[in-house]
Amino acid sequence: EDQVTQSPEALRLQEGESSSLNCSYTVSGLRGLFWYRQDPGKGPEFLFTLYSAGEEKEKERLKATLTKKESFLHITAPKPEDSATYLCAVLDNQGGKLIFGQGTELSVKP
Amino acid sequence: NAGVTQTPKFQVLKTGQSMTLQCAQDMNHEYMSWYRQDPGMGLRLIHYSVGAGITDQGEVPNGYNVSRSTTEDFPLRLLSAAPSQTSVYFCASSHRQPFYTSFDTQYFGPGTRLTVL
Repeated sequence: EDQVTQSPEALRLQEGESSSLNCSYTVSGLRGLFWYRQDPGKGPEFLFTLYSAGEEKEKERLKATLTKKESFLHITAPKPEDSATYLCAVLDNQGGKLIFGQGTELSVKP
Repeated sequence: NAGVTQTPKFQVLKTGQSMTLQCAQDMNHEYMSWYRQDPGMGLRLIHYSVGAGITDQGEVPNGYNVSRSTTEDFPLRLLSAAPSQTSVYFCASSHRQPFYTSFDTQYFGPGTRLTVL
């Protein structure tokens, strides 16, 4: 069964304190892994898509990496405005539907 | 472009009532979908459509109906609301399915928060 597990459930950082969020997945033949950001009361906002192990993508203070079993979202020198819930999703084994993890709620204090 | 719009933003229903959640997009996207988001459960796919006149079931379709008469609109109908349908509902759209390239990025609406008493 295709499954996505994110850890930790919640992460509290001080401004400038770098850290990583984890997304572990089980799917036969990964066709794509997606990271989204979700602010309270809003819909998810697309961040990155990764398609193959070893691939990396960056956007401002965020960097997403992918291995055969997991993906990391690295946050370098975070700011309070980076506070949000970060969602990870993978394409199912037929490649047509997204399977989402439960999300990691990130809080960055000044 | 307004992107993906959803109405209403909030709704309270009594058990057994019916209602329709509206979703519209102005990006000429072929693929549209409905998700529900519950605490600790992540986003779960309810129904989806790959184009006008074509719909299919997702992971949790029971109690919900959809139709797609135009490219722009994809309403979600609750036939007889139950407390288990209390959730936040998101509509999403993309150019196509599956999402093999960044061209196929899914855009989400702002959500409808539904409470069933």
